[in-house]
Amino acid sequence: AQSVTQPDIHITVSEGASLELRCNYSYGATPYLFWYVQSPGQGLQLLLKYFSGDTLVQGIKGFEAEFKRSQSSFNLRKPSVHWSDAAEYFCAVGDGSGGYQKVTFGTGTKLQVIP
Amino acid sequence: GAVVSQHPSRVICKSGTSVKIECRSLDFQATTMFWYRQFPKQSLMLMATSNEGSKATYEQGVEKDKFLINHASLTLSTLTVTSAHPEDSSFYICSTISGSGFNGQFFGPGTRLTVL
Repeated sequence: AQSVTQPDIHITVSEGASLELRCNYSYGATPYLFWYVQSPGQGLQLLLKYFSGDTLVQGIKGFEAEFKRSQSSFNLRKPSVHWSDAAEYFCAVGDGSGGYQKVTFGTGTKLQVIP
Repeated sequence: GAVVSQHPSRVICKSGTSVKIECRSLDFQATTMFWYRQFPKQSLMLMATSNEGSKATYEQGVEKDKFLINHASLTLSTLTVTSAHPEDSSFYICSTISGSGFNGQFFGPGTRLTVL
């Protein structure tokens, strides 16, 4: 069964500093990987996704993520964090074998941005 | 991406009552919708997959008689929490996919259920 681990429950960074959120996955084949962001009391918004091809993917809001098969990782990065980036971030792995995406989410990393 | 709405956004009910939550796809026809439950400081747990015109597929451990799902049209799926108890208090989120979902899911804003 697929699984996702986000080892950092909570991260605090200063505005303008760089950010990296860690994500490790377990999946038998080439995974479909996603990063979502959730603002308080809101649903989730897709930041970026990886299916195949270039292992460095660009997303919205200046985020990028790199797929590293050897490390089973899909870490999310942003070179300069803005206060509006404070939210909870979820990494997810999808299983497309059933004809549609059945997605397993990690436990999330809460990002706090300080001035 | 698709726009998904949920109603109500927040509901408080007494123990033993039933609550219906609506999930609407506003700008495209959603053949498949998903219902998730999110506990505080935890991840989203998939409860069931709802397919238009057929019975929902429930995940292991989810009581189908307690969480009734109806997907009668391509734009509306409903989740009814029957005989709600305090332990059912949670954040319920629906999502839908375009095609097979390989472009990610589109989530509703969620419904906060509090059972007294």
